[in-house]
Amino acid sequence: AQSVTQPDARVTVSEGASLQLRCKYSYSGTPYLFWYVQYPRQGLQLLLKYYSGDPVVQGVNGFEAEFSKSNSSFHLRKASVHWSDSAVYFCVLSGSNYQLIWGSGTKLIIKP
Amino acid sequence: DMKVTQMPRYLIKRMGENVLLECGQDMSHETMYWYRQDPGLGLQLIYISYDVDSNSEGDIPKGYRVSRKKREHFSLILDSAKTNQTSVYFCASSPDNANTEVFFGKGTRLTVV
Repeated sequence: AQSVTQPDARVTVSEGASLQLRCKYSYSGTPYLFWYVQYPRQGLQLLLKYYSGDPVVQGVNGFEAEFSKSNSSFHLRKASVHWSDSAVYFCVLSGSNYQLIWGSGTKLIIKP
Repeated sequence: DMKVTQMPRYLIKRMGENVLLECGQDMSHETMYWYRQDPGLGLQLIYISYDVDSNSEGDIPKGYRVSRKKREHFSLILDSAKTNQTSVYFCASSPDNANTEVFFGKGTRLTVV
């Protein structure tokens, strides 16, 4: 079965602190993984993607994610968050037939 | 400027009315999608289109149909809208398959009363 689990519906972080958003996936083949971000009242934008190679991938705005095959995880990280990072973050798996399998999202709240 | 455009952005319809949601993209992408987003559920795929007149059901196609007569245009139709179809609908497109970036429109907030 193909699935994506984001175990944290909400994460609250102080501005300037580091961040990790968790993502676990289930997929029998080689996973293509993405993180998308949705800012308030906006569509979704790609943050970063992983296909193969270096398990740490860099994205926009200082975000990075680390792929772990042994843990079936693709956690998103940022060293120092800014108030403008407040958004909902989705972990996504590209499954069969070009269909994307979405996690339920993690709402990131930045405390001043 | 690469863009997916959805019209209208906001729509209120009465139960039983027909609803047409329009989507256009200016990138000549082959693949287009319709999703709905409900609180706590992420995005659910309604239909995927691989090209003109080549459409497939997604995870929740019941109560919806689609039309793609031109590559740049993909419509979502609700025949006799129901209150449980109140949601935010997103259209998206990608060049040839979803292993590349998917581009999203800003969404249509549909309320069925």
